[in-house]
Amino acid sequence: DGGITQSPKYLFRKEGQNVTLSCEQNLNHDAMYWYRQDPGQGLRLIYYSQIVNDFQKGDIAEGYSVSREKKESFPLTVTSAQKNPTAFYLCASSIGTSGGNEQFFGPGTRLTVL
Amino acid sequence: GNSVTQMEGPVTLSEEAFLTINCTYTATGYPSLFWYVQYPGEGLQLLLKATKADDKGSNKGFEATYRKETTSFHLEKGSVQVSDSAVYFCALWSGTASKLTFGTGTRLQVTL
Repeated sequence: DGGITQSPKYLFRKEGQNVTLSCEQNLNHDAMYWYRQDPGQGLRLIYYSQIVNDFQKGDIAEGYSVSREKKESFPLTVTSAQKNPTAFYLCASSIGTSGGNEQFFGPGTRLTVL
Repeated sequence: GNSVTQMEGPVTLSEEAFLTINCTYTATGYPSLFWYVQYPGEGLQLLLKATKADDKGSNKGFEATYRKETTSFHLEKGSVQVSDSAVYFCALWSGTASKLTFGTGTRLQVTL
């Protein structure tokens, strides 16, 4: 089955530690995205990538980093510089970045920083 | 900049009731409009979309019409079911920003 996988579903880390969230897709999509979801705030874009080896900052990139070495993979690192990292993180992909293209979402990773 | 405003929830309805979730937007140019649904503990799924004015998106009994004159994209369903209980997000895609802008989401609770 084609889709997007995110692992792990739940992640706990101590304050001050970097943590990497995994996102893999087998849909052969060029574009991939990372969103953060907080209660009552909808989804906010962290980073996106339109093609391998290229990515752009979204609205809230500070304290996060990404890489796009393979088409299928777009890992997100939450660094110790992120002041409030506890949140639900969603990865998405689409065929391209034009307006009518549906974004497909993974099941999400809930990160809790203790 | 672009923005999406949704009615606050939760919206609580009895099964078979009529549903309306309001969504209005502000955008430059001619955005595409979407409704996504999120079931508990899951990611988002596209429910329906409309890419130009007066288009009607529909899926699973849900409908929304792209109204440019009122900058709205209200979600409707004639008869809701308990299984429709979820959070619904209105979103727009603006080519000038090359990204989706989401509303804050509206939680729907349907009871027997």
